Amino acid sequence: DSGVTQTPKHLITATGQRVTLRCSPRSGDLSVYWYQQSLDQGLQFLIQYYNGEERAKGNILERFSAQQFPDLHSELNLSSLELGDSALYFCASSVAASGSRKSTDTQYFGPGTRLTVL
Amino acid sequence: LAKTTQPISMDSYEGQEVNITCSHNNIATNDYITWYQQFPSQGPRFIIQGYKTKVTNEVASLFIPADRKSSTLSLPRVSLSDTAVYYCLVGEVWGAGNMLTFGGGTRLMVKP
Repeated sequence: DSGVTQTPKHLITATGQRVTLRCSPRSGDLSVYWYQQSLDQGLQFLIQYYNGEERAKGNILERFSAQQFPDLHSELNLSSLELGDSALYFCASSVAASGSRKSTDTQYFGPGTRLTVL
Repeated sequence: LAKTTQPISMDSYEGQEVNITCSHNNIATNDYITWYQQFPSQGPRFIIQGYKTKVTNEVASLFIPADRKSSTLSLPRVSLSDTAVYYCLVGEVWGAGNMLTFGGGTRLMVKP
């Protein structure tokens, strides 16, 4: 158990719909990362938040958005869903103290949310 | 970010030592080498991280030659439960903006 929780575990929805995935980081971790893993694309970084602010952006579609709340939990919002958005979505967290180089700033991954778009 | 190359798959038998090598010819001075393990439908799990020479923990060892252009993850006496995908990642491990770029990984199959 990594200490990172994600809900829901499974989500089945239809094309055109909107869903929200939730992530609670490990206690004390300030950074939250979102990744998408699909069969044909592998694990892809989407976006990172640090202490409530967006810090890094990867291959995230404009239909997707995320935010990190004051209690540090994060939500990933996926809208106008397409069949190709079906994937496993992982959240990870790390201590990530800003401005410091930490050789042991390990990312801990949650169990993921499996999204199926029909 | 430095590009990594690792075998697509490997087979082994229970009780054997498994060595997975990763090439990273363009590794930068500030880059660390990190290995993750992923079981089907689970999130990746951190295994080990190193900068140079050898690092050992309770799970694995990581060997990094002096030129740091490659690294070898060594799993002692594997069991069936070590069947998983192993990812080698290279990059700076800054606190913020520390996104991970995963390659294709090595699919390890441990047979009885």
